[in-house]
Amino acid sequence: QSALTQPASVSGSPGQSITISCTGTSSDVGTYNYVSWYQQHPGKAPKLMIYDVTDRPSGVSNRFSGSKSGNTASLTISGLQAEDEADYYCSSKTSSSTLSVFGTGTKVTVL
Amino acid sequence: EVQVVQSGAEVKKPGESLKISCEGSGYRFSTYWIGWVRQMPGKGPELMGIIYPGDSDTRYSPSFQGQVTISADKSISTAYLQWSSLKASDSAMYYCARQAHYYDPYFDYWGQGTLVTVSS
Repeated sequence: QSALTQPASVSGSPGQSITISCTGTSSDVGTYNYVSWYQQHPGKAPKLMIYDVTDRPSGVSNRFSGSKSGNTASLTISGLQAEDEADYYCSSKTSSSTLSVFGTGTKVTVL
Repeated sequence: EVQVVQSGAEVKKPGESLKISCEGSGYRFSTYWIGWVRQMPGKGPELMGIIYPGDSDTRYSPSFQGQVTISADKSISTAYLQWSSLKASDSAMYYCARQAHYYDPYFDYWGQGTLVTVSS
């Protein structure tokens, strides 16, 4: 099972909006509405930011939103803040035996 | 409050065995799947496998099948990840995390990670 494909890096200025893509196949992102997104700061554990494509856990800022079209899911961060600088990983349920697969990761830089 | 707490960092030699742990609290441990995730330096997370502590039903990702053993003791709310013979390539950060649902495999609570270093 191959990892989902994400851009290596995305950057933006404070206050701007950025979007991170996550491309899979018809065996994962394209079939299931079970895409999640995680934020990871250096030296820290991943933190769940979005689940089921669009849902936010309690306590996660509404500046984070998710969407999906076909085999590609997206995470949008609006009103970019310095604290949003981190690595972001998508994940999806898959029809293979791995149950879920992670993305390659995107480093977000706040300019 | 839900918490997932892992055992501390380990330094081992190639060929040695190792068992690291993951204790859940603040929720009914036996009714949620626990996943083990490997993260190598500078790389993304990889799901190694998941276990349901209620009956120890275990599923392994193909890449990790036969390489590690995942187990759980529901009486002490603890899951384990075990190696019988470590290799240098097993050096990585290992996380355990609670999976919210079997059919909807997102991880809502994560442990702090256990760094495993294998070096002669």
